[in-house]
Amino acid sequence: SQTIHQWPATLVQPVGSPLSLECTVEGTSNPNLYWYRQAAGRGLQLLFYSVGIGQISSEVPQNLSASRPQDRQFILSSKKLLLSDSGFYLCAGVKDRASYEQYFGPGTRLTVT
Amino acid sequence: DAKTTQPNSMESNEEEPVHLPCNHSTISGTDYIHWYRQLPSQGPEYVIHGLTSNVNNRMASLAIAEDRKSSTLILHRATLRDAAVYYCILRRNYGQNFVFGPGTRLSVLP
Repeated sequence: SQTIHQWPATLVQPVGSPLSLECTVEGTSNPNLYWYRQAAGRGLQLLFYSVGIGQISSEVPQNLSASRPQDRQFILSSKKLLLSDSGFYLCAGVKDRASYEQYFGPGTRLTVT
Repeated sequence: DAKTTQPNSMESNEEEPVHLPCNHSTISGTDYIHWYRQLPSQGPEYVIHGLTSNVNNRMASLAIAEDRKSSTLILHRATLRDAAVYYCILRRNYGQNFVFGPGTRLSVLP
């Protein structure tokens, strides 16, 4: 079965510090991968998606960037965090490109202080 | 992307059926209707999806209106574990992404 791994589970970072969140996928190859952010009490906002190595599409202009250096690795980064970057960050993959059923990782709760 | 509207919250009693509505009046012919749910402090979980015909799986049923401008997620017997936020989402065929709205928060009363 396909599994998304994310770490860390929680993170507290000061304003202006860099960020790197890693997502790895197990049990599949060449998956579509997604980064979402969820503010407290809100729905999910799609940040980036990737259909393959080195291919990144950005959905909203922001303080963040994404990279896909390997087939099963998707990284979310920031050079300088803002208070508004706080939230619950979720990585997701697609099981197959027929149903586009998404499966999600456990998430990282980021608090920027 | 076509938009969906859902009630902010709903309540149900345990072991009773629950019908969660979703309006998508601007749906296009190639949009699939997906439902996900999210338990507290967890990532969303796939529930069901469909295009035109009603769909059933082990978790739920999806009833799609004939004009496809609305759909209903049916939980046949609600349990306490079904308490979650339920998202109705449209995905364009060959589209790469999903737009999650605020969803419906379902409370299940014992």
